[in-house]
Amino acid sequence: DAKTTQPTSMDCAEGRAANLPCNHSTISGNEYVYWYRQIHSQGPQYIIHGLKNNETNEMASLIITEDRKSSTLILPHATLRDTAVYYCIVRGNNNAGNMLTFGGGTRLMVKP
Amino acid sequence: GAGVSQSPSNKVTEKGKDVELRCDPISGHTALYWYRQSLGQGLEFLIYFQGNSAPDKSGLPSDRFSAERTGGSVSTLTIQRTQQEDSAVYLCASSQSLWDPYEQYFGPGTRLTVT
Repeated sequence: DAKTTQPTSMDCAEGRAANLPCNHSTISGNEYVYWYRQIHSQGPQYIIHGLKNNETNEMASLIITEDRKSSTLILPHATLRDTAVYYCIVRGNNNAGNMLTFGGGTRLMVKP
Repeated sequence: GAGVSQSPSNKVTEKGKDVELRCDPISGHTALYWYRQSLGQGLEFLIYFQGNSAPDKSGLPSDRFSAERTGGSVSTLTIQRTQQEDSAVYLCASSQSLWDPYEQYFGPGTRLTVT
């Protein structure tokens, strides 16, 4: 599996955009970038995924660089409820099994 | 729509007793996964069901753990002769198809405490 690197923690002011970076320099051509988050005492929550093009949904936007070696998850207007650990993972059809594995993630603290 | 539900939300049991944990996946989702998460740790994969195929049991930590999925929907994870190291949050997830297996939707988990 392609390895991902994320900052351990980040702070963001409430109402501002939260930009969470992820490096995945060994990503292969058919691997997607997925983002999940886990709010304290809750199960993980799927956010968004993408292959090459930038993606947007009701939760977030995903910006993937042209060389696909890094990406940024953007929460456009962070709220206190967005405080969570955010996980960037890379998975594709060539990975053994369909199970998810999370690395350390980024602990995002949204502050009032 | 309804998400993945799990029951019970909390379970305290004595060492050596058997427990059953239940998962109701999202309707129409063909794939179902069980994971567990110890305090402050990452996800540990346990077992995976896809349609009528034989389950992938490669993550089950011992033969005390088993799971079944009846009628392609509800799943039960059974832990026999529980040990203190089994204490964790047990998470169930479902996904829609083989096309997007990594878009998984998780339930709230069952917090198991073995005393």
